[in-house]
Amino acid sequence: NAGVMQNPRHLVRRRGQEARLRCSPMKGHSHVYWYRQLPEEGLKFMVYLQKENIIDESGMPKERFSAEFPKEGPSILRIQQVVRGDSAAYFCASSPPGLADTQYFGPGTRLTVL
Amino acid sequence: DAKTTQPTSMDCAEGRAANLPCNHSTISGNEYVYWYRQIHSQGPQYIIHGLKNNETNEMASLIITEDRKSSTLILPHATLRDTAVYYCIVRLNTGTASKLTFGTGTRLQVTL
Repeated sequence: NAGVMQNPRHLVRRRGQEARLRCSPMKGHSHVYWYRQLPEEGLKFMVYLQKENIIDESGMPKERFSAEFPKEGPSILRIQQVVRGDSAAYFCASSPPGLADTQYFGPGTRLTVL
Repeated sequence: DAKTTQPTSMDCAEGRAANLPCNHSTISGNEYVYWYRQIHSQGPQYIIHGLKNNETNEMASLIITEDRKSSTLILPHATLRDTAVYYCIVRLNTGTASKLTFGTGTRLQVTL
């Protein structure tokens, strides 16, 4: 059973460009979470999604950030008009239905904004 | 969620047991204790969780005090690959999935 997959692993963007980060949950997992880790800081929750639904987006910045988890395909975290402060590691986690908090994390996408 | 307090850093000699403490004095009766770790530049890794009984798996043991106000994660024979930041997280486990709230954790350094 493959683990949580994220791509790309490294992403470089110039200020003002868009960044798209992808997350494929573990097989059988229907819950997806996105976390952000700024340099030298701890992990911060951003958003929690189930298929076609956003359940909790309390950690998402109000502007430029969006997330989706379509019926088919991976979850996407989209950052529009990136700024240098968006440079961070973005981690995706997934969990199976009915097992709260046993979340399994992917390797992360490291976003660098030039 | 109950807050947790962990030492900022600890050292452990390779081959010895690493005992990582966590205080959670405001924990409520239906909150679980979870442990994750993050090896440098990698995604967090689930280790173990428990409610009130001691738990053991292939990675570690979790000892929870009788009053549940503190717990200890034990790595029985630490190796260099166990060098990581260890996070103690207290969360409700109602069967409804929800976010994890990470603190600052304990940075464990395993040395030769």
